[in-house]
Order: sequence, then C-alpha cells, then structure tokens
Amino acid sequence: EAGVAQSPRYKIIEKRQSVAFWCNPISGHATLYWYQQILGQGPKLLIQFQNNGVVDDSQLPKDRFSAERLKGVDSTLKIQPAKLEDSAVYLCASRTDYNEQFFGPGTRLTVL
Amino acid sequence: RKEVEQDPGPFNVPEGATVAFNCTYSNSASQSFFWYRQDCRKEPKLLMSVYSSGNEDGRFTAQLNRASQYISLLIRDSKLSDSATYLCVPKGGMRFGAGTRLTVKP
Repeated sequence: EAGVAQSPRYKIIEKRQSVAFWCNPISGHATLYWYQQILGQGPKLLIQFQNNGVVDDSQLPKDRFSAERLKGVDSTLKIQPAKLEDSAVYLCASRTDYNEQFFGPGTRLTVL
Repeated sequence: RKEVEQDPGPFNVPEGATVAFNCTYSNSASQSFFWYRQDCRKEPKLLMSVYSSGNEDGRFTAQLNRASQYISLLIRDSKLSDSATYLCVPKGGMRFGAGTRLTVKP
C-alpha cells in the first residue's frame, strides 16, 4: 500500500518569499493533517481536514499560512510571506478509522 | 497546561539495558494513546497503541495509569536500533508531546 506522499522534500527560500507544499494522503483516508515540526520539538498541528472541510485550524497563523483540500484528496499548504521562524519540517499525515496516523516524509523548509 | 508532557531526556543507556519513560496527560477522559517513534530526520511512525489493559509487543510494553494520568513505555534488552525519539499522543488527539530522546550505546 502506498504511503503518504509529499513534495518537495526540501525547499530553501528567502524571507518574504512564498512557498507551497503538496500532500497526497493514503487512498481512502478521509482525515488529513498538516503539522509543523521545529527541531527538538514534537509535531505541532496546523490544520486538520475531514474530506474537503476544515475541522481544526486554531493553530494556523492565518495571516501568512493557508491550506486547502478542494477535492477531498490532495492538499496544499502555502506560506506567504515566509519568515525566518517558519524554518521547520512540514509533515502531512492521514488517518485510519482507528485514529492511527501515517506520516509522509515531510518537507524541510529553510528560510534565509 | 499542555495536553501531553514528556521528559525530553536524553536517556543514554547501554545495549541490553531496560529503559522506561513516561508521558503525562491532562485530559482525564482520555482512554487510549499511541506511542510513535521518530528516527533522526525521519517522519514519526506508529509504534504501538496503549489501552487501559496495557499492550505488549516483543520487547516493548506500554501501560496506562489512569489514576495518575500517565502512560509508560518500557523497552527491554535495548538495541542500538532503538535509538530514536519516542512521542506520545492521545488516540483521536492531535497534540503530540515533545518527545523523549533515547540513545542506546554499544
């Protein structure tokens, strides 16, 4: 069974630039998450989707971050404009009916 | 108060040792949890579930203490390959602990 796919794997940008990340969850998983993981910390939830609807985006910095899952499958996360403190790994995960989350390999973002 | 809290470690143990670490939680209604392991520069991977009856999988034993609101992970006969960060999260929750780093040394 294919896992969660993410791209790109690495991205280096300068502050104030824009960046977008893509995620394709495991087939059939209705719930999708985006997490931000800063070095030395646990994953921090940014947004949770159930199909194409947002369930929880309380920790998403909405002034610069946006996410969508228009057809209830793939999802994109965008940062515009990026700040130095956005340097982190952005993890996408999808969930089984038993609440087990499966993570993608992540996108490592460096903001210079 | 955070939903889950973990001792960040690091725990440095010799190969073959038994090591245990805990994860405390704040929501008394939580009835089950997951342990994930995360290798350096990799994504978290599900290790095992934890229910009130506990769970054992080979060298790994996970237990839930509802009275004191913590879960534990015990690793017996630790291997070099057990070196990783171990994360806990309530089942159905999205607030991960910061993780406990384990290093097993030869």
